[in-house]
Amino acid sequence: IAGITQAPTSQILAAGRRMTLRCTQDMRHNAMYWYRQDLGLGLRLIHYSNTAGTTGKGEVPDGYSVSRANTDDFPLTLASAVPSQTSVYFCASSDTPQAWEGYTFGSGTRLTVV
Amino acid sequence: RKEVEQDPGPFNVPEGATVAFNCTYSNSASQSFFWYRQDCRKEPKLLMSVYSSGNEDGRFTAQLNRASQYISLLIRDSKLSDSATYLCVVPVPQGDMRFGAGTRLTVKP
Repeated sequence: IAGITQAPTSQILAAGRRMTLRCTQDMRHNAMYWYRQDLGLGLRLIHYSNTAGTTGKGEVPDGYSVSRANTDDFPLTLASAVPSQTSVYFCASSDTPQAWEGYTFGSGTRLTVV
Repeated sequence: RKEVEQDPGPFNVPEGATVAFNCTYSNSASQSFFWYRQDCRKEPKLLMSVYSSGNEDGRFTAQLNRASQYISLLIRDSKLSDSATYLCVVPVPQGDMRFGAGTRLTVKP
């Protein structure tokens, strides 16, 4: 793999079910992020991690949780999915939290909650 | 005022045209800025970064006006392949980035 890999590519999920979106990077970037993108709203930050072992809340964290057990992996979990969580989810990373060179994004997970 | 605002467009221009997009931001402390390009149903990809007054890369020029708190992106000699959505990105004091909703560009033959 080169860059960031997200899985699954797309998913249809029944409301109330639990789901984990996977994100793995091989660039040894310290900082990682989860965004959701909805039409007309742009990308909004859900959770972030400045380094392995630490996480923080973004703009829209409710209903989501993350963990950062190591540098490479940053899974996003929906404990009990609701239809308003239907969105495209992007994982991103940057060499440092200051992100002077911007972010690298994964190819996204398209999630539909029904 | 939103943290980052962009004209959503769409901008429909013929090949060879020059087109400019503006983006305004509310946080006067922001130091670096970015333009990303996003193709339909794809991930955003970094197009240009802007740290001082401006940056030029081939047909693309990004300019920063700190006094008025806006960033612009100029595309000269538009190509069909320039058709995409362009996202303005601004760092915020909390340490992450704020993304504009994007400006959609369609270049037609």
